[in-house]
Amino acid sequence: GESVGLHLPTLSVQEGDNSIINCAYSNSASDYFIWYKQESGKGPQFIIDIRSNMDKRQGQRVTVLLNKTVKHLSLQIAATQPGDSAVYFCAVTHTGTASKLTFGTGTRLQVTL
Amino acid sequence: DADVTQTPRNRITKTGKRIMLECSQTKGHDRMYWYRQDPGLGLRLIYYSFDVKDINKGEISDGYSVSRQAQAKFSLSLESAIPNQTALYFCATSDAYEQYFGPGTRLTVT
Repeated sequence: GESVGLHLPTLSVQEGDNSIINCAYSNSASDYFIWYKQESGKGPQFIIDIRSNMDKRQGQRVTVLLNKTVKHLSLQIAATQPGDSAVYFCAVTHTGTASKLTFGTGTRLQVTL
Repeated sequence: DADVTQTPRNRITKTGKRIMLECSQTKGHDRMYWYRQDPGLGLRLIYYSFDVKDINKGEISDGYSVSRQAQAKFSLSLESAIPNQTALYFCATSDAYEQYFGPGTRLTVT
């Protein structure tokens, strides 16, 4: 099976700084990865995804990096804003597993002014 | 996400009671899922369904049952609620691998 872990339960950054949230997975067959953001009182929302044939993908102020050698992915948020305060989850799957995602435990990002 | 709605949003019930959580979606997706979320733990899959006739157990299905009444509706039942089922419950839908989540139901079993 798959297990997914995040390196830090809480990350505190100053407004304007860059944030890096990490995630490690165990199954080398995993080939699709998603980052979700969960704000207080809401369900998880999709941020960005990446497939295993890529090692980097950029969105608006966010970048996901994938290192398949060490089974690690990270989410980078540029110029962190107060609205970025939330819990961030990575989710991992092998596309042969009927679209079941395995979720990490989440990192709470706190943005200080 | 307004495309996925859950009712009720909050519920307090007593041990031994039967309770149903409902999920509706307007995204037209075939795949629907029920998860529970507990502090310090990731989302854990309870049940999933790929269409009206296809229901599958997830990693923590004991004590739960589901019904897929239509493509757009997927309900989760606790036949006899117990306190360790106190959690936040999420419904999700997908047409591939990206999943879209509802706002959650906070369930407390006393």
